[in-house]
Amino acid sequence: AQSVTQLGSHVSVSEGALVLLRCNYSSSVPPYLFWYVQYPNQGLQLLLKYTSAATLVKGINGFEAEFKKSETSFHLTKPSAHMSDAAEYFCAVRAYSSASKIIFGSGTRLSIRP
Amino acid sequence: DVKVTQSSRYLVKRTGEKVFLECVQDMDHENMFWYRQDPGLGLRLIYFSYDVKMKEKGDIPEGYSVSREKKERFSLILESASTNQTSMYLCASSPLSGQAVHEQYFGPGTRLTVT
Repeated sequence: AQSVTQLGSHVSVSEGALVLLRCNYSSSVPPYLFWYVQYPNQGLQLLLKYTSAATLVKGINGFEAEFKKSETSFHLTKPSAHMSDAAEYFCAVRAYSSASKIIFGSGTRLSIRP
Repeated sequence: DVKVTQSSRYLVKRTGEKVFLECVQDMDHENMFWYRQDPGLGLRLIYFSYDVKMKEKGDIPEGYSVSREKKERFSLILESASTNQTSMYLCASSPLSGQAVHEQYFGPGTRLTVT
């Protein structure tokens, strides 16, 4: 079965530091992968997506993610954290049982220390 | 700008009540989804609809039903609310084709408390 595993339910970094949120996926077919962000008291919004084109994907707000097939990973990074990045981040994979469905990871809450 | 709206941000209901959660999207999307979000569990799909009057069970459909009479509206129904249905409920929509085909657009969520 397809799944995504997010390592670390909570990550805390200092403002200006590198942000690294880890995601590993399990899929027997070439995956479509996503990162979504949920700011406090809001719904989710798409940060970026990988759909088998370039392996380095750039998203909104300075985030990017690299698809590494050999490591089955799709980690999210940002060079310099900002206070406004505090949110919950979800990695997700398209379900091969239905092109419209997405399977979400359990989420990682990112905190930013001043 | 794409928009998914949910009828309530916060809702408090009593055990045994019938509860309706409404979701409306203005993007003419074919697909609509209901998820529940619980800490440490991420988002779990309750039901999915790919067309008017068409629905498909998700991973946790027990205790829920849905209705889609119009393309823009997707309702989640708790026939007899129970305390273990206390959760955040998120509605989403996505198109069936085009560049955004794999992207889901979410509403702000309804935090339901069943007492």
